[in-house]
Amino acid sequence: GAGVSQSPRYKVAKRGQDVALRCDPISGHVSLFWYQQALGQGPEFLTYFQNEAQLDKSGLPSDRFFAERPEGSVSTLKIQRTQQEDSAVYLCASRYRGGYTFGSGTRLTVV
Amino acid sequence: KQEVTQIPAALSVPEGENLVLNCSFTDSAIYNLQWFRQDPGKGLTSLLLIQSSQREQTSGRLNASLDKSSGRSTLYIAASQPGDSATYLCAVSGSGGGADGLTFGKGTHLIIQP
Repeated sequence: GAGVSQSPRYKVAKRGQDVALRCDPISGHVSLFWYQQALGQGPEFLTYFQNEAQLDKSGLPSDRFFAERPEGSVSTLKIQRTQQEDSAVYLCASRYRGGYTFGSGTRLTVV
Repeated sequence: KQEVTQIPAALSVPEGENLVLNCSFTDSAIYNLQWFRQDPGKGLTSLLLIQSSQREQTSGRLNASLDKSSGRSTLYIAASQPGDSATYLCAVSGSGGGADGLTFGKGTHLIIQP
C-alpha cells in the first residue's frame, strides 16, 4: 500500500482485557518497528522485525506484551491483561534505506 | 544509552518569523538523524532525514543541520505559517544500521500565531 496502516484507530479496553493491535506496513519494507508514545512524550522503542524474525524485543515493558509478524508483512502487537499504565498511542513504522514511515497509530485507553 | 534532548519544549511566535528548534544527543555514534512533525492525535510525518555523513538537508522552508561530533542538530523554519503549528520531534538511529530503532526526544510544541 501507499503508507503504513494501523487498526483499530482507537481502542478502549477494560482493565484485565486482552487487546490486539494490527499494523500493515508498506509493501516490500522488510523492517518493521513498534513504538509506544505516552501523553506528552516522544515515542519509545518496543520491538523490531526483519521480515518474520523478531530481532529485538528489548523495549517490551513486560511479558504481557507480545508481537508477531508470521509471514513477514502484517504485524500484530498483543497486550494481555491490560493495565491502566498501558494507556498510550502505539505506533508502527516500516523502514527503507534508513528512512522511517509511521502509521497514524492506535490510541489505547484502559479504563 | 542514547539520550535525545529538545529545546525549547514549547515555542509560540507570530506568523512570518524565522525560528530554530534545537536537538542534542549524547552518543555521537549515530547512523542518521530524522526530524518528524506530529499533529494532534495523528502519527508522525517525516520532514528531513540526514545521514551521518551529511551536514544538512533542505526541503522547502525547512533546513536541518547536523554536527555529529558535537551531538547537535537544528531545524530551521523560514517564514513561519500557522499551518506549521505542530509538535516537532527529533530522532536518532544507532550506528551500523541494522536493528537499531530510533531514539526520540520529547519534542518541541510549536504554535504559530496568525
